Amino acid sequence: AQTVTQSQPEMSVQEAETVTLSCTYDTSENNYYLFWYKQPPSRQMILVIRQEAYKQQNATENRFSVNFQKAAKSFSLKISDSQLGDTAMYFCAFMKVDNDMRFGAGTRLTVKP
Amino acid sequence: NAGVMQNPRHLVRRRGQEARLRCSPMKGHSHVYWYRQLPEEGLKFMVYLQKENIIDESGMPKERFSAEFPKEGPSILRIQQVVRGDSAAYFCASSAQRGYMDEQYFGPGTRLTVT
Repeated sequence: AQTVTQSQPEMSVQEAETVTLSCTYDTSENNYYLFWYKQPPSRQMILVIRQEAYKQQNATENRFSVNFQKAAKSFSLKISDSQLGDTAMYFCAFMKVDNDMRFGAGTRLTVKP
Repeated sequence: NAGVMQNPRHLVRRRGQEARLRCSPMKGHSHVYWYRQLPEEGLKFMVYLQKENIIDESGMPKERFSAEFPKEGPSILRIQQVVRGDSAAYFCASSAQRGYMDEQYFGPGTRLTVT
């Protein structure tokens, strides 16, 4: 079975600084996808970034980037130049190619002014 | 401690039939959330329930969809007269506390296919 672990229940960062959220996963699959979702008060789950396991290059979306270490089964999210609007829950998710998806328990990120 | 359980994992329905999706939260959790994931899209919030109460159903379509979380038993997401556009993965999550910043634990999802 696939499991996703987010070992940091809570994180905080000063506005304009950089923060890294951790995620590890366990799988015997070789092809899969990894995601980071942001959940604001609306409870909408907003896709922040996505990584295909077969791609060695780390995905980047503006201030968000990942450090994907396939051998270590690690998929951390780096948020640069943190903004107050980044305050939210962040979920790491793993998906097999047949669309079977698993989520971590989430990391509560607070950006302080 | 068993995680959030959803069943069935896969459900096939013909247009016009009813679909019932079940979610058993983690032990000790009294808050349940339902999300829908359409192909190639992220998760969309549908409804938030606490035991016997619907707290927030702002993401639920006004017709054909209903949800309940009875005092005893699992939470049920019910879709009447399904249409092809209802085909999606439906995820349930549970938490011990109220509030969006509390840890939510997700189930494996139910994949609904409408033929």
